[in-house]
Amino acid sequence: GAVVSQHPSRVICKSGTSVKIECRSLDFQATTMFWYRQFPKQSLMLMATSNEGSKATYEQGVEKDKFLINHASLTLSTLTVTSAHPEDSSFYICSASYRGQGNTIYFGEGSWLTVV
Amino acid sequence: GNSVTQMEGPVTLSEEAFLTINCTYTATGYPSLFWYVQYPGEGLQLLLKATKADDKGSNKGFEATYRKETTSFHLEKGSVQVSDSAVYFCALIETSGSRLTFGEGTQLTVNP
Repeated sequence: GAVVSQHPSRVICKSGTSVKIECRSLDFQATTMFWYRQFPKQSLMLMATSNEGSKATYEQGVEKDKFLINHASLTLSTLTVTSAHPEDSSFYICSASYRGQGNTIYFGEGSWLTVV
Repeated sequence: GNSVTQMEGPVTLSEEAFLTINCTYTATGYPSLFWYVQYPGEGLQLLLKATKADDKGSNKGFEATYRKETTSFHLEKGSVQVSDSAVYFCALIETSGSRLTFGEGTQLTVNP
């Protein structure tokens, strides 16, 4: 299957700082990538849809100024959590749409963010 | 809108037991159906998929058949192992879309 890689897998940052998480499709071009947040023992919550070369589409209730998404190339999308607070601590997962395999979605390994 | 309903967990089985995790869906058109598995602390891995009615997806001993008449995509495995302990998510994508609709996930624990 296709490979999607996230980096970093774990990050600790201080309150008030910003942290960037990268999502790369390693062996295919992804015009669309998705960012999710997952709370313990819950399903994934879609935060935003990232389209290459255009602005991301955010889900209702997600602060676009706090969670900045950039999809600068067909293989890279980034999520920047700005002015992080402890309540932003969570597991963030990206995914990418691979139309070459019947529109299958592949996920990254996830990134654990801890804000102290 | 689209929706996916999974059987509630957690599910606890003994090793070598038979596994069924039920999944039913509501969608317009002809969606593609997926099962993803999430091991503790990790992202989601595609387990299997089916893109049209009567297709059977299979991988690592797991199987699921796309049943349009019952709008179901139940996951089965004949003999589970301890290493199968994980959370399993059923999901769908509309034919013309790229956004996944997830079920709530089912926690499976397999005891030795």
